[in-house]
Amino acid sequence: QQQVKQSPQSLIVQKGGISIINCAYENTAFDYFPWYQQFPGKGPALLIAIRPDVSEKKEGRFTISFNKSAKQFSLHIMDSQPGDSATYFCAASWDSGYSTLTFGKGTMLLVSP
Amino acid sequence: GAVVSQHPSWVICKSGTSVKIECRSLDFQATTMFWYRQFPKQSLMLMATSNEGSKATYEQGVEKDKFLINHASLTLSTLTVTSAHPEDSSFYICSARPRGRRGGNQPQHFGDGTRLSIL
Repeated sequence: QQQVKQSPQSLIVQKGGISIINCAYENTAFDYFPWYQQFPGKGPALLIAIRPDVSEKKEGRFTISFNKSAKQFSLHIMDSQPGDSATYFCAASWDSGYSTLTFGKGTMLLVSP
Repeated sequence: GAVVSQHPSWVICKSGTSVKIECRSLDFQATTMFWYRQFPKQSLMLMATSNEGSKATYEQGVEKDKFLINHASLTLSTLTVTSAHPEDSSFYICSARPRGRRGGNQPQHFGDGTRLSIL
């Protein structure tokens, strides 16, 4: 049973456009929602994370929107660049992130020049 | 920033041999380390959680006799794939949780993974 559902599976965006990736979770005990970026042959790197006490968090071109009632959260990449082309994973955990991470299936983003 | 080093980054070996992968936290102590497996174009699958000085906790379906985990110190955990076969070929990634950082901004720091290819 997949506890974190991620969509779309792949995404092509033109340079300068907005990339949007969505995730939905089922376990209401989750209280930490990170997004990871992974380049081929590398481990995942934390991009940005949010806790359920806020509805939005922004860091540079990356923004997480969080909807607690709908149990959904999304990643927005503004002014997408070719260097953003990577696989993005949403994840969730509980106990303020102290427990194990449950990952979504990932989204392959391609930003065309 | 916190760095997790994994070694080797790529290993190719013959079927039947055992392979050891090391995961080190370079600038912090990690009471807990996690081992993941990732197949091409798929997500990370947690294999086991290892706590320093105690036995690892394996996820359902992961053979503990096949994947031996040792967390001998606060900065080192090893994964040994015993009697490896082609179906064990995969990308193995470790992560480390800083000691005492409950509720921290980054609960886990990931290594860069080890590409294991069994011929």
